[in-house]
Amino acid sequence: SQKIEQNSEALNIQEGKTATLTCNYTNYSPAYLQWYRQDPGRGPVFLLLIRENEKEKRKERLKVTFDTTLKQSLFHITASQPADSATYLCALDDDMRFGAGTRLTVKP
Amino acid sequence: DTAVSQTPKYLVTQMGNDKSIKCEQNLGHDTMYWYKQDSKKFLKIMFSYNNKELIINETVPNRFSPKSPDKAHLNLHINSLELGDSAVYFCASSQVYPGQGYNTEAFFGQGTRLTVV
Repeated sequence: SQKIEQNSEALNIQEGKTATLTCNYTNYSPAYLQWYRQDPGRGPVFLLLIRENEKEKRKERLKVTFDTTLKQSLFHITASQPADSATYLCALDDDMRFGAGTRLTVKP
Repeated sequence: DTAVSQTPKYLVTQMGNDKSIKCEQNLGHDTMYWYKQDSKKFLKIMFSYNNKELIINETVPNRFSPKSPDKAHLNLHINSLELGDSAVYFCASSQVYPGQGYNTEAFFGQGTRLTVV
């Protein structure tokens, strides 16, 4: 069965630095991959979608890459701010199965 | 207007009871989902419906039964509640865009915190 792994449960970085979160998957070849943000007590909110034929996608300070050879997606937040602190989740295409998420804390 | 709304937001009930959680979306989406988020915060898909038809039915106890009266509603009924059912339940919806052939951008409700005592 397919498996989604997000590399770390928690990531702490200093404000202004770039946060890099990883989503790996096995036993599957998704046509696309999505990234979501979840704040405490709230439902996940969609951020970005990247298709298998796209290497990179950007939205403001966010960047997502998709390497189908490595079976990996990287999610970057540049010039991070304390307001970026949240849990970030990846999900594989139509199945909408989520990884365990990475809790990002950006310290002032 | 709330895109995906769930009721109730909080539900406290005793073991053995039967309860329902309602979900409605006003986005005109074809696909709706139920997720369970436990105390470890893992978001696990339970069910997925497309145009009132069951698409995904994960390994959940058959005490859980989804019901979709129309494509804007997906309710979750739980029989004989157990302590381990305590969690936050999220409803979500998404749409297959014409010409793209895949669901994209799921919208989530605010969640229903179920506590079984």
